[in-house]
Amino acid sequence: QVQLVESGGGVVQPGGSLRLSCAASGFTFSGYGMHWVRQAPGKGLEWVAFIRYDGSNKYYAESVKGRFTISRDNSKNTLYLQMSSLSTEDTAVFYCAKERLAGSAFDNWGQGTLVTVSS
Amino acid sequence: ESVLTQSPGTLSLSPGERATLSCRASQSVSSSYLAWYQQKPGQAPRLLIYGASIRATGIPDRFSGSGSGTDFTLTISRLEPEDFAVYYCQQYGSSPYTFGQGTKLEIK
Repeated sequence: QVQLVESGGGVVQPGGSLRLSCAASGFTFSGYGMHWVRQAPGKGLEWVAFIRYDGSNKYYAESVKGRFTISRDNSKNTLYLQMSSLSTEDTAVFYCAKERLAGSAFDNWGQGTLVTVSS
Repeated sequence: ESVLTQSPGTLSLSPGERATLSCRASQSVSSSYLAWYQQKPGQAPRLLIYGASIRATGIPDRFSGSGSGTDFTLTISRLEPEDFAVYYCQQYGSSPYTFGQGTKLEIK
């Protein structure tokens, strides 16, 4: 079965950096686009970034453009999110999610990893 | 960017009743690239509906989606106790892949 396991969350000071990972298993990782979605405490879902199956295309939400970088290593079945210039507004649970088919909805989600930006 | 507005914000119903949740987009959603997700406290979202009306794998047939263009609806025909949760609509036709703000379905 599909499994997505995020890691790398924690407490970081404003202005700091953090790299999240999402380990994938149970499917052919190299064949699917992947997303990051975040959820601030008590708030709704916010799409963050997308990377095509081969890494050739990447898209970002305006709120993170220029600060976050999505990448993947298909040889390691792992998705990454490098985050820098973090602010308190970035505090959230970050989920990785797999697209059902190219350009389709998100059919599998990880359990999430909490990022807290605080001094 | 297509802004999705869900209504109502909170819906209070009893088990066995019918629930109707609305999602309105500020721009037409291309090719009905509209999905619905369910999220329970402390859990990740779960895909219910994609393509506006297609149930995802394993989703009971009491869940149904309809609509096109800018107006979409999620209907739960007879509420079960496990259906009380927060529901989000999302457009995935073009980046940014925006979500609605959510509708909380609570037990009356």
